Amino acid sequence: DTEVTQTPKHLVMGMTNKKSLKCEQHMGHRAMYWYKQKAKKPPELMFVYSYEKLSINESVPSRFSPECPNSSLLNLHLHALQPEDSALYLCASSQETIGYGYTFGSGTRLTVV
Amino acid sequence: AQSVTQPDIHITVSEGASLELRCNYSYGATPYLFWYVQSPGQGLQLLLKYFSGDTLVQGIKGFEAEFKRSQSSFNLRKPSVHWSDAAEYFCAVEGGSYIPTFGRGTSLIVHP
Repeated sequence: DTEVTQTPKHLVMGMTNKKSLKCEQHMGHRAMYWYKQKAKKPPELMFVYSYEKLSINESVPSRFSPECPNSSLLNLHLHALQPEDSALYLCASSQETIGYGYTFGSGTRLTVV
Repeated sequence: AQSVTQPDIHITVSEGASLELRCNYSYGATPYLFWYVQSPGQGLQLLLKYFSGDTLVQGIKGFEAEFKRSQSSFNLRKPSVHWSDAAEYFCAVEGGSYIPTFGRGTSLIVHP
C-alpha cells in the first residue's frame, strides 16, 4: 500500500459545528503532517507528528486540534471554524522528518458556511 | 534560512514540445530538493528528489531535474510533454529545518 487516504473528500460545515478529518497510511512512515492549501497557493504547514508525538505546531488557531491515535492514523478536529478556514486540507506522510519527500493524500475540500 | 523561487507563474507549451520549469533556491549548504506535481482537485505527488550524487536526477512520468550548485538551481525538464502533464508544479527545499519550503508553483498549460 503506497497511499495516504483522506476522508471525507468534501465537507461543508457551519461555524458552530464540530467535525473531524481523517488520514490513514500503511507505509510504516514515522512522520505525518497536516497542510492547508488555498487556491493557487502552495501548501502551508499546520502540524507535524513524528513517532506519534506532536513536534511542530505552526501557530495554528486552537479551533484546529490534531490527534495521532497510532502510527497509521492522523485526525484533525475542527470546531467553531470561520469562513476564511475554507480550503483544501492535505495530509502527508514521510519515512522520516527530513530528506525523504512526502506522500500526500488527495485532500479534504472544506467549506465553512 | 532557506528559500525557493519559481520565477514563472505560468508556462504554456504545445503537446510534444520539450519543457523546462525553473527553480532557484537559497541555502548555505546543499539542501534536499524536490519537485511535486498537483493536478486539479488532487494532492501533491512527488516527482523526484535530490540530495547528493549524480546531479541529473530521473523521476516518475518521464521527468528529470538537474542540480546546478553554481547557479543554485534545480530545473525540471521533460523532452516531450503530454496533455496529461497540465498541472501545477511545486519546487521544494529542505535545509537545516526539517520543514520544507515550497515555491509558489508554476502552472503548466499544454496546447494540443
